[in-house]
Amino acid sequence: ELQLEESGGDLVQPGRSLRLSCKASGFGFDDYGMHWVRQAPGKGLEWVAGLSWNSGSIGYAPSVEGRFTISRDNAKNALYLEMNSLRTEDTAFYYCVKDFRLLWSGGLETWGQGTLVTVSS
Amino acid sequence: QSLLTQPPSASGTPGQRVTISCSGSNSNIGPNDVFWYQQLPGTAPRLLIYRNNERPSGVPDRFSGSKSGTSASLAISGLRSEDEADYYCAAWHDSLSAWVFGGGTKLTVL
Repeated sequence: ELQLEESGGDLVQPGRSLRLSCKASGFGFDDYGMHWVRQAPGKGLEWVAGLSWNSGSIGYAPSVEGRFTISRDNAKNALYLEMNSLRTEDTAFYYCVKDFRLLWSGGLETWGQGTLVTVSS
Repeated sequence: QSLLTQPPSASGTPGQRVTISCSGSNSNIGPNDVFWYQQLPGTAPRLLIYRNNERPSGVPDRFSGSKSGTSASLAISGLRSEDEADYYCAAWHDSLSAWVFGGGTKLTVL
């Protein structure tokens, strides 16, 4: 069974850093692009970042470009999101999402359960 | 402000047919596929419709999608209480090279 399990969410102060992880299982992880999508409490969905199967192609939402870094380790079936210079508006549930295809433009297919990041002093 | 426009709410009675619209532009829905997601209260989103009108296995055929020009619609027939959820449309945006979502539609089953 395909599973995506996020971890690393926490309460952090503005300006600090945090690293999220996503452990994938049940499918050929290195055959698919992957994404992070977030949802502020009570709000809608916002795509954050995506990368291709081999990390050769990466994209970010303007709201996080320059502060967040998406990466993957295919040997560990893991996806990461390094978040720096966190702001209160980054408070959200962060979802790990599998793409339909090798790249990150095929479509957002399968979602993890999410991990909560709270940025507050 | 979302680049895809959805009505904030929709409602219907059990057994009815309801539709949810998603309006975009020639940079997103026009040239690209539309995806729909269902988010039940307190849960993660799940894929409901992909590539405009395809249903993943396990999604009842009461759910259907369509696209015309720069707009798309999700239709739910034979409405059931368990369909009460938030529904989101999404599409690739060419000039931004990014995925964009609609603001979401809260469906209430009366």
